[in-house]
Amino acid sequence: GAVVSQHPSWVICKSGTSVKIECRSLDFQATTMFWYRQFPKQSLMLMATSNEGSKATYEQGVEKDKFLINHASLTLSTLTVTSAHPEDSSFYICSASPPDSPYNEQFFGPGTRLTVL
Amino acid sequence: AQSVTQPDIHITVSEGASLELRCNYSYGATPYLFWYVQSPGQGLQLLLKYFSGDTLVQGIKGFEAEFKRSQSSFNLRKPSVHWSDAAEYFCAVGAYQAGTALIFGKGTTLSVSS
Repeated sequence: GAVVSQHPSWVICKSGTSVKIECRSLDFQATTMFWYRQFPKQSLMLMATSNEGSKATYEQGVEKDKFLINHASLTLSTLTVTSAHPEDSSFYICSASPPDSPYNEQFFGPGTRLTVL
Repeated sequence: AQSVTQPDIHITVSEGASLELRCNYSYGATPYLFWYVQSPGQGLQLLLKYFSGDTLVQGIKGFEAEFKRSQSSFNLRKPSVHWSDAAEYFCAVGAYQAGTALIFGKGTTLSVSS
């Protein structure tokens, strides 16, 4: 099956710093990738849809300038949390769908746990 | 609007007992439905999916789910629960259009008692 990786798997940073999270589709090209956020004991909330070569589409309430998304290639999307604060601490998960998937099936990365001190 | 409802926030079952986790969806067209499991601190693992055809779907780890269009439901079942099944379970609905994200329910926490 299709594999999606994320790096790093966990990161701890100081308040005010920026953190970049990578999402890679390892064995397929993904024109679209999705970024989700999950707070403890809560469900996954879609943050943004990342389209290769164009600007990401953000969900209502998600700050574009704080969560910078870049989808520079068909296998890589990055999420940069700028000027991170403790309230940004969360589990970030990406997903991607092969373009030839007949049912828009999506494959999820293992997630990145961000802790902001 | 599209939505997924998991009515049970937390369920406890005895090891060896049967399990049913409920999922109801609201969707304007034929939905694609998924069940995922998440252990603490881990990512999502796909248990099973329904796209079309047979409404009873078999998945991994002995799980199955039945799509009932008339009830807008996609309940997850397992005949005999093992302690290792304790986890968070998410139901999700998706669209056939490429480039659309999944919509997740709030999840059900399953505890298994000995």
